[in-house]
Amino acid sequence: EVQLVESGGGLVQPGGSLRLSCAASGFTLGDYWMHWVRQAPGKGPVWVSGVNHDGTDIRYADSVKGRVTISRDNTKNTLYLQMDSLRAEDTAVYYCTRGSVSGRLDYWGQGTLVTVSS
Amino acid sequence: DIQMTQSPSSLSASVGDRVTITCRASQSIAHFLNWYYQKPGKAPKLLIYAASNLQSGVPSRFSGSGSGTDFTLTVSSLQPEDSATYYCQQSYGALFTFGPGTKVNIK
Repeated sequence: EVQLVESGGGLVQPGGSLRLSCAASGFTLGDYWMHWVRQAPGKGPVWVSGVNHDGTDIRYADSVKGRVTISRDNTKNTLYLQMDSLRAEDTAVYYCTRGSVSGRLDYWGQGTLVTVSS
Repeated sequence: DIQMTQSPSSLSASVGDRVTITCRASQSIAHFLNWYYQKPGKAPKLLIYAASNLQSGVPSRFSGSGSGTDFTLTVSSLQPEDSATYYCQQSYGALFTFGPGTKVNIK
């Protein structure tokens, strides 16, 4: 069974940093693109970042470019999102998702809440 | 970036009704269009991929069509458990984008 379990969310002050993790199981992480998608309270999902199977192709939404870094460790079956210079507008539930053929996001974690507030 | 729009933003329909949701892309995205549904407090779930392909386990009352810039999601006979918010997502561009969502309520 495919499982994605996010961790690392929490309350952080504006300008602070957080590192999110996503533990993958039930499939070979190194065979798939992986993505982070976030959803602010009461809003729709917003794609944040994606990384290809071996980390050589990385993409970021304009809203986070320069402030977040996606990475992966296929040997540990784990995806990461390092978030720096956090702003109030980064407050959201962050989901880890698996990218499959044609770019569909076929499995999602349960999400981890990031709250940026003083 | 490719922008996505959806209509309507919300709808109310009765059990058994046929429901159609429209999604439009700001430029041609061929068939790279996926549909998701989301219930409150839960992660989105994939319904339809590549415009018209039913994800495994999804009931056959759901169907998708379209290509280029205009796409539709149809529920042939609405069921109580279909009450949710539905999102389209394009995977044509290097940067993915979601539509704003359509909230479906059961009368």
